[in-house]
Amino acid sequence: AQSVTQPDIHITVSEGASLELRCNYSYGATPYLFWYVQSPGQGLQLLLKYFSGDTLVQGIKGFEAEFKRSQSSFNLRKPSVHWSDAAEYFCAVGLTGGGNKLTFGTGTQLKVEL
Amino acid sequence: EAGVAQSPRYKIIEKRQSVAFWCNPISGHATLYWYQQILGQGPKLLIQFQNNGVVDDSQLPKDRFSAERLKGVDSTLKIQPAKLEDSAVYLCASSPQGNTEAFFGQGTRLTVV
Repeated sequence: AQSVTQPDIHITVSEGASLELRCNYSYGATPYLFWYVQSPGQGLQLLLKYFSGDTLVQGIKGFEAEFKRSQSSFNLRKPSVHWSDAAEYFCAVGLTGGGNKLTFGTGTQLKVEL
Repeated sequence: EAGVAQSPRYKIIEKRQSVAFWCNPISGHATLYWYQQILGQGPKLLIQFQNNGVVDDSQLPKDRFSAERLKGVDSTLKIQPAKLEDSAVYLCASSPQGNTEAFFGQGTRLTVV
Protein backbone atom coordinates (compact mmCIF):
# COMPACT_ATOMS: atom_id res chain seq x y z
CA ALA A 1 0.00 0.00 0.00
CA GLN A 2 1.16 3.51 -0.70
CA SER A 3 2.20 5.83 2.14
CA VAL A 4 3.32 9.42 2.57
CA THR A 5 5.73 10.78 5.18
CA GLN A 6 6.04 14.41 6.14
CA PRO A 7 8.86 14.38 8.68
CA ASP A 8 8.37 17.94 9.93
CA ILE A 9 5.30 18.44 12.09
CA HIS A 10 5.96 22.14 12.70
CA ILE A 11 8.15 24.63 10.86
CA THR A 12 8.73 28.29 11.72
CA VAL A 13 10.26 30.70 9.25
CA SER A 14 10.66 34.45 9.14
CA GLU A 15 8.72 36.41 6.59
CA GLY A 16 10.82 36.82 3.46
CA ALA A 17 12.87 33.71 4.14
CA SER A 18 12.89 30.69 1.88
CA LEU A 19 10.86 27.60 2.67
CA GLU A 20 11.18 23.90 1.97
CA LEU A 21 8.66 21.35 3.22
CA ARG A 22 9.67 17.73 2.91
CA CYS A 23 7.59 14.87 1.57
CA ASN A 24 8.59 11.26 0.97
CA TYR A 25 6.33 8.62 -0.49
CA SER A 26 6.27 4.89 -0.78
CA TYR A 27 4.66 3.42 -3.87
CA GLY A 28 5.58 0.72 -6.33
CA ALA A 29 5.17 2.80 -9.46
CA THR A 30 5.34 6.47 -10.35
CA PRO A 31 2.51 8.05 -8.43
CA TYR A 32 0.49 11.15 -8.92
CA LEU A 33 1.74 13.67 -6.34
CA PHE A 34 0.00 16.64 -4.82
CA TRP A 35 0.49 19.42 -2.33
CA TYR A 36 -2.56 20.89 -0.62
CA VAL A 37 -2.81 23.79 1.83
CA GLN A 38 -5.38 24.09 4.59
CA SER A 39 -6.06 27.32 6.45
CA PRO A 40 -7.87 27.16 9.81
CA GLY A 41 -11.51 26.18 9.40
CA GLN A 42 -11.13 25.73 5.68
CA GLY A 43 -11.03 22.84 3.29
CA LEU A 44 -8.02 21.79 1.30
CA GLN A 45 -6.80 23.92 -1.59
CA LEU A 46 -4.60 22.41 -4.28
CA LEU A 47 -1.23 24.13 -4.60
CA LEU A 48 0.28 21.98 -7.33
CA LYS A 49 0.38 18.50 -8.78
CA TYR A 50 2.72 16.18 -10.60
CA PHE A 51 1.48 13.56 -13.02
CA SER A 52 4.38 13.15 -15.46
CA GLY A 53 6.86 15.12 -17.51
CA ASP A 54 8.95 17.97 -16.14
CA THR A 55 9.95 17.08 -12.59
CA LEU A 56 9.88 20.71 -11.45
CA VAL A 57 6.27 21.77 -11.03
CA GLN A 58 5.03 25.30 -10.59
CA GLY A 59 1.94 25.99 -8.54
CA ILE A 60 -0.17 28.80 -7.24
CA LYS A 61 0.95 31.46 -4.76
CA GLY A 62 4.59 31.20 -5.87
CA PHE A 63 5.08 27.60 -4.74
CA GLU A 64 7.01 24.95 -6.63
CA ALA A 65 7.85 21.32 -6.01
CA GLU A 66 10.41 18.94 -7.42
CA PHE A 67 9.82 15.24 -8.00
CA LYS A 68 12.94 13.17 -7.34
CA ARG A 69 12.34 9.55 -8.21
CA SER A 70 15.68 8.37 -6.81
CA GLN A 71 14.82 9.81 -3.41
CA SER A 72 11.06 9.12 -3.54
CA SER A 73 10.57 12.75 -2.63
CA PHE A 74 8.34 15.62 -3.66
CA ASN A 75 9.49 18.61 -1.61
CA LEU A 76 7.60 21.90 -1.67
CA ARG A 77 9.54 25.16 -1.93
CA LYS A 78 8.95 28.88 -1.93
CA PRO A 79 11.76 31.42 -2.31
CA SER A 80 10.19 34.11 -0.11
CA VAL A 81 7.47 33.36 2.43
CA HIS A 82 4.65 35.79 3.17
CA TRP A 83 2.79 36.00 6.48
CA SER A 84 -0.35 34.81 4.69
CA ASP A 85 1.36 31.49 3.92
CA ALA A 86 0.92 30.40 7.53
CA ALA A 87 -1.25 27.29 7.30
CA GLU A 88 -1.03 23.50 7.30
CA TYR A 89 0.43 21.81 4.26
CA PHE A 90 -0.37 18.29 3.17
CA CYS A 91 1.44 16.12 0.69
CA ALA A 92 -0.65 13.43 -0.98
CA VAL A 93 -0.13 10.55 -3.37
CA GLY A 94 -2.70 9.27 -5.81
CA LEU A 95 -2.78 5.87 -7.39
CA THR A 96 -2.06 5.44 -11.06
CA GLY A 97 -4.26 3.06 -12.95
CA GLY A 98 -7.58 3.93 -11.47
CA GLY A 99 -9.25 4.55 -8.18
CA ASN A 100 -8.22 8.18 -8.03
CA LYS A 101 -8.15 8.13 -4.25
CA LEU A 102 -5.54 10.08 -2.33
CA THR A 103 -3.35 9.05 0.58
CA PHE A 104 -2.28 12.01 2.68
CA GLY A 105 0.68 12.66 4.91
CA THR A 106 0.15 13.91 8.45
CA GLY A 107 0.79 17.50 7.48
CA THR A 108 3.30 20.24 8.31
CA GLN A 109 2.13 23.26 10.26
CA LEU A 110 3.86 26.39 8.99
CA LYS A 111 4.26 29.41 11.24
CA VAL A 112 5.56 32.68 9.80
CA GLU A 113 7.27 35.16 12.09
CA LEU A 114 7.00 38.81 11.18
CA GLU B 1 -17.76 27.72 -10.95
CA ALA B 2 -19.34 26.78 -7.65
CA GLY B 3 -17.24 24.64 -5.39
CA VAL B 4 -18.09 21.62 -3.29
CA ALA B 5 -20.80 22.52 -0.79
CA GLN B 6 -21.10 20.86 2.60
CA SER B 7 -23.49 21.29 5.47
CA PRO B 8 -23.62 21.76 8.33
CA ARG B 9 -20.29 23.44 9.03
CA TYR B 10 -20.32 22.49 12.69
CA LYS B 11 -22.16 19.87 14.72
CA ILE B 12 -22.01 18.92 18.39
CA ILE B 13 -23.75 15.74 19.52
CA GLU B 14 -23.66 13.40 22.47
CA LYS B 15 -22.21 9.95 22.12
CA ARG B 16 -24.65 7.32 20.93
CA GLN B 17 -26.64 9.92 19.01
CA SER B 18 -26.88 9.90 15.24
CA VAL B 19 -25.74 12.58 12.80
CA ALA B 20 -25.83 13.16 9.06
CA PHE B 21 -23.71 15.28 6.78
CA TRP B 22 -24.60 16.49 3.31
CA CYS B 23 -22.41 17.16 0.30
CA ASN B 24 -23.14 18.68 -3.09
CA PRO B 25 -20.20 18.15 -5.46
CA ILE B 26 -19.10 20.34 -8.33
CA SER B 27 -21.53 20.02 -11.21
CA GLY B 28 -20.57 17.27 -13.61
CA HIS B 29 -18.05 15.61 -11.33
CA ALA B 30 -18.55 11.87 -11.47
CA THR B 31 -16.40 10.93 -8.49
CA LEU B 32 -17.23 11.88 -4.92
CA TYR B 33 -15.17 11.16 -1.82
CA TRP B 34 -15.72 11.39 1.91
CA TYR B 35 -12.60 11.87 4.03
CA GLN B 36 -12.24 11.91 7.81
CA GLN B 37 -9.63 14.26 9.26
CA ILE B 38 -8.87 13.73 12.93
CA LEU B 39 -7.08 16.58 14.67
CA GLY B 40 -3.37 16.44 13.99
CA GLN B 41 -3.68 13.94 11.16
CA GLY B 42 -4.05 14.02 7.42
CA PRO B 43 -7.38 13.22 5.81
CA LYS B 44 -8.25 9.55 5.52
CA LEU B 45 -10.53 8.24 2.80
CA LEU B 46 -13.76 6.74 4.10
CA ILE B 47 -15.63 6.07 0.89
CA GLN B 48 -15.42 6.80 -2.82
CA PHE B 49 -18.34 6.91 -5.24
CA GLN B 50 -18.22 6.78 -9.01
CA ASN B 51 -21.56 8.24 -10.11
CA ASN B 52 -23.92 6.49 -7.67
CA GLY B 53 -21.89 3.32 -7.21
CA VAL B 54 -19.38 2.62 -4.46
CA VAL B 55 -15.80 2.20 -5.70
CA ASP B 56 -14.02 1.86 -2.37
CA ASP B 57 -15.42 1.69 1.15
CA SER B 58 -12.68 -0.45 2.66
CA GLN B 59 -11.95 2.06 5.44
CA LEU B 60 -15.55 2.88 6.29
CA PRO B 61 -16.58 1.52 9.74
CA LYS B 62 -19.70 -0.09 8.39
CA ASP B 63 -21.10 -1.00 11.78
CA ARG B 64 -21.82 2.67 12.42
CA PHE B 65 -21.11 4.65 9.26
CA SER B 66 -23.18 4.65 6.11
CA ALA B 67 -23.15 6.75 2.98
CA GLU B 68 -25.22 7.08 -0.12
CA ARG B 69 -25.15 9.07 -3.30
CA LEU B 70 -28.57 9.36 -4.81
CA LYS B 71 -28.86 9.91 -8.55
CA GLY B 72 -25.08 10.29 -8.78
CA VAL B 73 -25.10 13.85 -7.44
CA ASP B 74 -25.57 14.76 -3.76
CA SER B 75 -24.31 12.52 -1.02
CA THR B 76 -25.00 12.00 2.65
CA LEU B 77 -22.75 10.45 5.27
CA LYS B 78 -24.38 9.15 8.43
CA ILE B 79 -22.99 8.03 11.76
CA GLN B 80 -25.19 5.98 14.08
CA PRO B 81 -24.41 5.67 16.92
CA ALA B 82 -21.58 8.17 17.29
CA LYS B 83 -18.56 7.53 19.49
CA LEU B 84 -16.17 9.99 21.06
CA GLU B 85 -13.45 8.97 18.59
CA ASP B 86 -15.64 10.09 15.70
CA SER B 87 -14.85 13.69 16.58
CA ALA B 88 -13.19 14.98 13.43
CA VAL B 89 -13.64 17.12 10.35
CA TYR B 90 -15.50 15.33 7.59
CA LEU B 91 -14.41 16.50 4.18
CA CYS B 92 -16.24 15.92 0.96
CA ALA B 93 -14.38 16.13 -2.33
CA SER B 94 -15.20 15.58 -5.97
CA SER B 95 -13.30 15.08 -9.19
CA PRO B 96 -14.11 14.74 -12.87
CA GLN B 97 -14.17 11.26 -14.33
CA GLY B 98 -10.68 9.92 -14.99
CA ASN B 99 -9.01 12.76 -13.10
CA THR B 100 -7.16 12.24 -9.84
CA GLU B 101 -7.23 15.90 -8.78
CA ALA B 102 -9.81 16.31 -6.03
CA PHE B 103 -11.62 19.52 -5.12
CA PHE B 104 -12.53 19.79 -1.45
CA GLY B 105 -15.37 21.38 0.43
CA GLN B 106 -14.87 23.33 3.65
CA GLY B 107 -15.77 20.34 5.75
CA THR B 108 -18.06 19.63 8.69
CA ARG B 109 -16.49 19.74 12.12
CA LEU B 110 -18.10 17.11 14.35
CA THR B 111 -17.64 17.12 18.09
CA VAL B 112 -18.94 14.14 20.03
CA VAL B 113 -19.27 14.76 23.77
